[in-house]
Amino acid sequence: EVQLVQSGAEVKKSGESLKISCKASGFSFSRYWIAWVRQMPGKGLEWMGIIYPGDSDTRYGPSFQGQVTISADKSISTVYLQWRSLKASDTATYYCARPYSTGIRDPPDIWGQGTKVTVS
Amino acid sequence: NFVLTQPPSMSESPGKTVSISCTGSGAAIARNFVQWFQQRPDSGPITVIYEDKLRPSGVPDRFSGSIDTSSNSASLTISGLKTEDEADYYCQSYDTNDRWVFGGGTRLTVL
Repeated sequence: EVQLVQSGAEVKKSGESLKISCKASGFSFSRYWIAWVRQMPGKGLEWMGIIYPGDSDTRYGPSFQGQVTISADKSISTVYLQWRSLKASDTATYYCARPYSTGIRDPPDIWGQGTKVTVS
Repeated sequence: NFVLTQPPSMSESPGKTVSISCTGSGAAIARNFVQWFQQRPDSGPITVIYEDKLRPSGVPDRFSGSIDTSSNSASLTISGLKTEDEADYYCQSYDTNDRWVFGGGTRLTVL
């Protein structure tokens, strides 16, 4: 079964660092782009960025460039989203998502279950 | 700067038909495919339409998508509304730098 399984909910304090994960299974991990999408409480979906695990080519949305780091570990088929210093405004649910095919513009069709991050 | 604009909310009665619009600005909406996602409370998004008008397996044919180049907009139409269709709906496409662009979302109430 093709799936993305995300790490569990996190409760952190402002200024702390955090790395959440998205583990892929059921497909050739290195060949598919995987994106991160933010949803702040009661708000809409925002694209944060995307990575191609095959060569670690990474693109960021303008609002997220320099604020987060997206990385991948091919050996364990896992993509990460990392903060060096959390802010209260990072409180949100974060989803990873994979396009249905291997192109960066292919529509996303596989979503992780979401990771809720609360920063106080 | 490519932006997709949706109405914040819509409501309709069970059995009726509703069309949710997604208007593009900053570029032609037909330049790239448009997808539609349904998100129920406390759940992740699921695709109901991809590549403008295609339905994933398992999505009822009550859901359909279209593009209108004259108004630079995409539409999601849901016919024979059911209470289970009550959810938030998001359109999504791409900008010139391959970045995903989401509309602001439309909360559909079926009452």
